[in-house]
Amino acid sequence: EVQLVESGGDLVQPGGSLRLSCAASGFTFTSYAMSWVRQAPGKGLEWVSLITGGGENTYYAESVKGRFTISRDNPKNTLFLQMNSLRAEDTAVYYCAKEGGYCSSISCYEYWGQGTLVTVSS
Amino acid sequence: QAVLTQPPSVSAAPGQKVTISCSGSSSNIGNNYVSWYQQLPGTAPKLLIFDNNKRPSGIPDRFSGSKSGTSATLGITGLQTGDEADYYCATWDYGLISVVFGGGTKLTVL
Repeated sequence: EVQLVESGGDLVQPGGSLRLSCAASGFTFTSYAMSWVRQAPGKGLEWVSLITGGGENTYYAESVKGRFTISRDNPKNTLFLQMNSLRAEDTAVYYCAKEGGYCSSISCYEYWGQGTLVTVSS
Repeated sequence: QAVLTQPPSVSAAPGQKVTISCSGSSSNIGNNYVSWYQQLPGTAPKLLIFDNNKRPSGIPDRFSGSKSGTSATLGITGLQTGDEADYYCATWDYGLISVVFGGGTKLTVL
């Protein structure tokens, strides 16, 4: 059974940093691209970042480029999101999501974690 | 402002059919596959449709997807109260080099 379990969400002051983790199990982690998608309170889904299976390619939304870094530790089946220079508008539930192995598109997320809440406030 | 445009809300009676539109451009929907997600209140999104019109295992055939040009449509027939949720379209945007989501559509089953 595929499981994605996020952790690391917390209350942080503007300008601060936070590192999110996503522990994956139930599939061959290194074979799939992984993404972070966030949802601000009462708002819609916003894609944040993607990393290919081997970690060789990464992509970011303009809103986080230069501040967030996605990475993965394949031997430990874990996805990370390092978030620096946090702003109030980064407040959201952050989901990690697994690429669908049967999909032709990179926007196809077959499995999602339960999410972890990041609150940026003084 | 979301790159893909969806109506904020749609509604229909139980048993009826509803469609949700998703409008984009040649840099996204026009040249890539569309996925659709259902998000029930307080839960993570769930994949409903991938590759424009395919359903993952376990998704009933009441849910369908289609694409024409730079627009995509999600159809739901035989509406049930349990279908009340937010629905999102998504695709890759070659210009932005990013995944883009629609703003979401809230479905109310009256």
